[in-house]
Amino acid sequence: QVQLVQSGAEVKKPGSSVKVSCKASGGTVSNYAISWVRQAPGQGLEWVGGIIPRLPIPSYTQKFQDRVTISADESTSTVYMELSSLKSEDTAIYYCAAGWYYNDPEDNRHYYMGVWGKGTTVTVSS
Amino acid sequence: EIVLTQSPGTLSLSPGERATLSCRAGQSVYSNYLAWYQQKPGQAPRLLIYDASSRATGIPDRFSGGGSGTDFSLTISRLEPEDFAVYYCQQYGSSPWTFGQGTKVEIK
Repeated sequence: QVQLVQSGAEVKKPGSSVKVSCKASGGTVSNYAISWVRQAPGQGLEWVGGIIPRLPIPSYTQKFQDRVTISADESTSTVYMELSSLKSEDTAIYYCAAGWYYNDPEDNRHYYMGVWGKGTTVTVSS
Repeated sequence: EIVLTQSPGTLSLSPGERATLSCRAGQSVYSNYLAWYQQKPGQAPRLLIYDASSRATGIPDRFSGGGSGTDFSLTISRLEPEDFAVYYCQQYGSSPWTFGQGTKVEIK
């Protein structure tokens, strides 16, 4: 089964950007859909967006549409999430998660999150 | 986006008891694409159920999922000490995927 290894904790200033990586081992990201989910301190889970690396058009929650970029490098089996214009409210644990995806008759893709990384803590503070 | 409302917010039960968690969607979930996750403090979430009723690999059969359309449930037939945690439902039928706010199952 694929395992996901995320990059280390980050401390950033408001207004800056952060790029978090998620590398697959024991398999290739090309076979999965990869989601990014965040969890603010003491709060619930929030889907940020996702990508299917072999169909490299990402999907984003509208809330983050203007500030987030999710990309994939199939050659290194790594997926990235970059969040810009950071605010203190972006302080959270950011998880990547992999899952199988389904196609529907209208060629939309659907995917859950079967395997999770351990999370990357991003702290935004002046 | 589809809003998922979980109830109750907290469930206080004893080991060996049955737990029933509810997840209600603001509109019908396409093809019943609904998942359940368990999260313990300091850990990443773990997939329990996908497609509303299919158990993920390695998940004990005391966990079962059911429902369709807008009303879904997760049942834990007999609570084990390791089952006390927070549980989230999540729909992946309509983008953006959304999560419920969570139900905490605590020891009574």
